[in-house]
Amino acid sequence: GDSVTQMEGPVTLSEEAFLTINCTYTATGYPSLFWYVQYPGEGLQLLLKATKADDKGSNKGFEATYRKETTSFHLEKGSVQVSDSAVYFCALSERREYGNKLVFGAGTILRVKS
Amino acid sequence: EPEVTQTPSHQVTQMGQEVILRCVPISNHLYFYWYRQILGQKVEFLVSFYNNEISEKSEIFDDQFSVERPDGSNFTLKIRSTKLEDSAMYFCASSPGLAGSQETQYFGPGTRLLVL
Repeated sequence: GDSVTQMEGPVTLSEEAFLTINCTYTATGYPSLFWYVQYPGEGLQLLLKATKADDKGSNKGFEATYRKETTSFHLEKGSVQVSDSAVYFCALSERREYGNKLVFGAGTILRVKS
Repeated sequence: EPEVTQTPSHQVTQMGQEVILRCVPISNHLYFYWYRQILGQKVEFLVSFYNNEISEKSEIFDDQFSVERPDGSNFTLKIRSTKLEDSAMYFCASSPGLAGSQETQYFGPGTRLLVL
């Protein structure tokens, strides 16, 4: 079946450092790709998404580009803040006749120090 | 901004007891989902629901689990006889309803279930 692999964490950075969290996927079709974020004590929030190859999703300074040739969707941010500390989940969407099904990676903990 | 809500936020139960987890999806959404996250592990799909029927379920979703949309607004997950390994965070999600599309799912804050 389809799967998502994320880099293991935790990732610890100083404020204003550059962030990359790697995500690769295996899929039989052409899934949509998502990054969700989970802040401490909260649920999953959509951060950004891309629905086809070469699309770039962006939100709150985060970006990720759908790379079909490398089956990747790496998350980047140029300058992280302490408030970005959270768990980041990469996910793909398997299309179904009714709705869709999300397949998640294991999650990457990001800790940003001031 | 509309959001998915879940109650309770935390539930502690004894092994073998029944629990019902409640969700109120976003009001004009047509597809509903349950996922769970065992502590330290991946978020896993349990079930999807559309037009008052289960449209897909995972192998985790055995006969001990059931879902229902009893009144047009709530969406519930029932575990008939809880086991220790059911301890997890349970997330409800909904999506608007373009058939066959890969649209965004919106998640609730989760219910943390602890089975003793």
